[in-house]
Amino acid sequence: DSGVTQTPKHLITATGQRVTLRCSPRSGDLSVYWYQQSLDQGLQFLIQYYNGEERAKGNILERFSAQQFPDLHSELNLSSLELGDSALYFCASRAGANYGYTFGSGTRLTVV
Amino acid sequence: GQQLNQSPQSMFIQEGEDVSMNCTSSSIFNTWLWYKQDPGEGPVLLIALYKAGELTSNGRLTAQFGITRKDSFLNISASIPSDVGIYFCAGQPVGGGSQGNLIFGKGTKLSVKP
Repeated sequence: DSGVTQTPKHLITATGQRVTLRCSPRSGDLSVYWYQQSLDQGLQFLIQYYNGEERAKGNILERFSAQQFPDLHSELNLSSLELGDSALYFCASRAGANYGYTFGSGTRLTVV
Repeated sequence: GQQLNQSPQSMFIQEGEDVSMNCTSSSIFNTWLWYKQDPGEGPVLLIALYKAGELTSNGRLTAQFGITRKDSFLNISASIPSDVGIYFCAGQPVGGGSQGNLIFGKGTKLSVKP
């Protein structure tokens, strides 16, 4: 157990629908990062939050949004889902600038 | 934007063989990290490097922070079947990165020789 908790582990939904993925960072970590990983692909950075504020944005689609709450958990909202959105979505947290990321075990999203 | 070139993209291993992979960048980095991802799981940190020239081991794994600060190497000695997976390098550019601080390579996929 890495200490980063992601729910749900699996999600199957239909095209056009909206889903919310949840992440709880390791205790004390203020930064949360979201990544998308499609089949046999690398990690695509989506967005970073630090202590409730958006810090950096990657190639995140306009249909996707995220937020970090006062208790530091984060949610990634994916709307108007398309087949191509099927992927593993990872959340990671970080203790500070001199530390690596700790990843959760991911949410596997399947859009049918 | 900043990129890491990780090679090889994939490789096949036979049990007992030594394995090498590397990452290079056109920018200077102040941190290099190596992660391993098992199928369907999140990447797990293997080794972290913080100084140029640093050589660090974790069991059969050894990684080095290149003296130019633009590259890093990971070696796996005497590979075993459970070494199969995807290995990612990650680095933090001097001055921070634009994409949430760490830049990730595209990964090296280790498979077992048929």
